[in-house]
Amino acid sequence: DIQLTQSPSSLSASVGDRVTITCRASQYINNLLNWYQQKPGKAPKVLIYGASNLQSGVPSRFSGSGSGTDFTLTISGLQLEDFATYFCQQSYSTWTFGQGTKVEIK
Amino acid sequence: QVQLVESGGGVVQPGRSLTLSCAASGFTFSSYGLHWVRQAPGKGLEWVANIWYDGANKYYGDSVKGRFTISRDNSRNTLYLQMNSLTAEDTAVYYCARWIEYGSGKDAFDVWGQGTMVIVSS
Repeated sequence: DIQLTQSPSSLSASVGDRVTITCRASQYINNLLNWYQQKPGKAPKVLIYGASNLQSGVPSRFSGSGSGTDFTLTISGLQLEDFATYFCQQSYSTWTFGQGTKVEIK
Repeated sequence: QVQLVESGGGVVQPGRSLTLSCAASGFTFSSYGLHWVRQAPGKGLEWVANIWYDGANKYYGDSVKGRFTISRDNSRNTLYLQMNSLTAEDTAVYYCARWIEYGSGKDAFDVWGQGTMVIVSS
């Protein structure tokens, strides 16, 4: 099974900050990596698919990059509504999620 | 609007069975594959099972293989998850999610239900 390791597990940031979350796969997954945002008590929401494609309706401050085994989610100009937990997911071989990164207010 | 609504959760004793349902509306149900994803309290997301648009193919996560069965009724726009031999480790919120394929192998879960809680406890 393909394992995904996110770092950091949590971070504190201020409104307006640039935030970067990384996701490393245990083996090659090409660009089949997605990013989700989840707020407390709510279902996840897809932000990025195929490593770098912005899902319709998602603000352009969210961006993704990477290929192979190493991937990054960047939030450029953190907004109040962005404080949440973020998960990466691979779809190269069935599906697995990373353990999550909680973005908290500093 | 496009919507998925889960039901059937509750408290169940270890070793017993439970069936979850996911009712879909607002889109052509029979054209989409679907997934079940669960989240234990305070934990991350775990993919549970997948079924293709026509029910012809099904896949399961290792932790539920042989105990859980995913199925669908395209005439009723409903997805199911039959869960047998439940243990405390199956305690979680269970979400159904729509599978969207973008081409070139890219896919994601683009519509999610609100989730239904399953508690396995004596």
